[in-house]
Amino acid sequence: DADVTQTPRNRITKTGKRIMLECSQTKGHDRMYWYRQDPGLGLRLIYYSFDVKDINKGEISDGYSVSRQAQAKFSLSLESAIPNQTALYFCATRSRTGRNTEAFFGQGTRLTVV
Amino acid sequence: AQSVTQLGSHVSVSEGALVLLRCNYSSSVPPYLFWYVQYPNQGLQLLLKYTSAATLVKGINGFEAEFKKSETSFHLTKPSAHMSDAAEYFCAVSDSGDKIIFGKGTRLHILP
Repeated sequence: DADVTQTPRNRITKTGKRIMLECSQTKGHDRMYWYRQDPGLGLRLIYYSFDVKDINKGEISDGYSVSRQAQAKFSLSLESAIPNQTALYFCATRSRTGRNTEAFFGQGTRLTVV
Repeated sequence: AQSVTQLGSHVSVSEGALVLLRCNYSSSVPPYLFWYVQYPNQGLQLLLKYTSAATLVKGINGFEAEFKKSETSFHLTKPSAHMSDAAEYFCAVSDSGDKIIFGKGTRLHILP
C-alpha cells in the first residue's frame, strides 16, 4: 500500500458543485500539504498543516478550504467548483525534523470541472 | 523569501548524451534544495537533495547535482541519457516557513 493515498484518482464535476479530495498517510508525519499542478506553472501550494490545529493558507488558497480530521488525514474542498480549477492535485507529507527533510507525494487527483 | 528558477521548460537530448537541467535559487537563509522527478501519470519522486553536508550530491538513477553558492545554482546532470529518463523534473527549495517551493519544471525529452 502507498504511504500517501489520494482519493479519488480522477474526477469530473460540474461548475458550481462542491467537491472534496481526500488524502491519508501512513508515514506518521505531522506536516501535510496540498499542491496544484498546472502545465508550465509547476506545483503551487494551496494549503498546509503542521498539526491538527495548525492550518495555513498557501499562495493560491482562494476558492479552496481544507480540513485536518486527524494526523493522518487532510482533505481539500472546492466549495463551488469552477473550470479554472481543472488541474492535477497532489497531497504531500513531511516529517517535522527539519528543513532538510523531503516531502513524500501521493499519486495525484486529476480534477476536471466542466 | 526563497524561490527557484528552472531555465528551459523543455530540454531535448539524444540517448547517450549528457543531461543538464538548470536550476538557480534565491534564499535569504542557507538553502536546502531538492530535485524531484515526475514520470507520466505518477506523483513526484525525490531524486536527490542538498543539505549542506557535501556540495556534490548523488541521487538515484545515475543523477547528480552540484551546489554552487557563488553562482546560486543547483544544476542536475547525468552523464548518459536513457530513454527511461524522459519525464518532468522539478527543482525545489525548503523555505524558512517549512514549506517546499517548486520551480515550474523542465520536461526532458530523449531522442533515439
